[in-house]
Amino acid sequence: QLVESGGGLVKPGGSLRLSCAASGFTFSAYSMNWVRQAPGKGLEWVSSISSSGTYIYYADSVKGRFTVSRDSARNSLTLQMNSLRAEDTAVYYCARESITATHFDYWGQGTLVTVSS
Amino acid sequence: QSVLTQPPSVSAAPGQRVTISCSGSNSNIGNNYVSWYQQFPGTAPKLLIYDNNKRPSGIPDRFSGSKSGTSATLGITGLQTGDEADYYCGTWDSSRSAGVFGGGTKLTVL
Repeated sequence: QLVESGGGLVKPGGSLRLSCAASGFTFSAYSMNWVRQAPGKGLEWVSSISSSGTYIYYADSVKGRFTVSRDSARNSLTLQMNSLRAEDTAVYYCARESITATHFDYWGQGTLVTVSS
Repeated sequence: QSVLTQPPSVSAAPGQRVTISCSGSNSNIGNNYVSWYQQFPGTAPKLLIYDNNKRPSGIPDRFSGSKSGTSATLGITGLQTGDEADYYCGTWDSSRSAGVFGGGTKLTVL
C-alpha cells in the first residue's frame, strides 16, 4: 500500500514537501516514482529514484526545483518541491516501479497540490 | 504536448471491439517495454498491460496489448459500460532519461 500526504494550497514561489508511506512490500528493493496529473489533464511523470537511491531522474519541467529522496528505514518516499508555479498544480501520485523496471505496478491514491495566490 | 501520441477519444457499442493506438519513437517505444493504465474519474491509475502484452493477475483477457516498431496498441473486446475510462500508454524514454506517457484516450461505450 502507498499513501501520499503533504498536499495543500501554497502560494507561487513557495515550497511543499510530499511524503509517500509504503507498506506491505520490501520498500528497499524497489525503485519509486512520482507522477502528477493536472486538473482535467493527462499523466505526467515527475521523478524516479532507484532502490538504493543512487540513480535519480527528473522531468525537465521540475529539474532544479524538485528533489526526490527516500528513507528505507522508514519505508518512505519524499518529494521536496521548491519555487512552485501555478502549472505545478496537480494531484501527485507515488508509484512503485516493478522489479523489472518496466512499468508502475502499484499507485497511491494521490495528494492534491494547489499553487495559487 | 505528450511525447507519446494517443487519440483523445474512441467509442464503440457494448459487446464490440475497440483499439487504442500509442505512437512514439525509437528512443521510447521502439526500444523499451510499453505499459497501459486504466483510470476512472477521481481515482488513481491502475496497471492494465505491462511488457507490451502481459496482463497482471485479475485483468480479464478481454484486454490485450501489442507492439510493433515505434507504436503500441491496446485492444478491448466484448466492451462493457464499466470499461468507460481514460486509458494511458507509458514507457521509458532512453534519450531523455525520463518516463513518458501518452496524452490519454477517453473510451466511451455507447
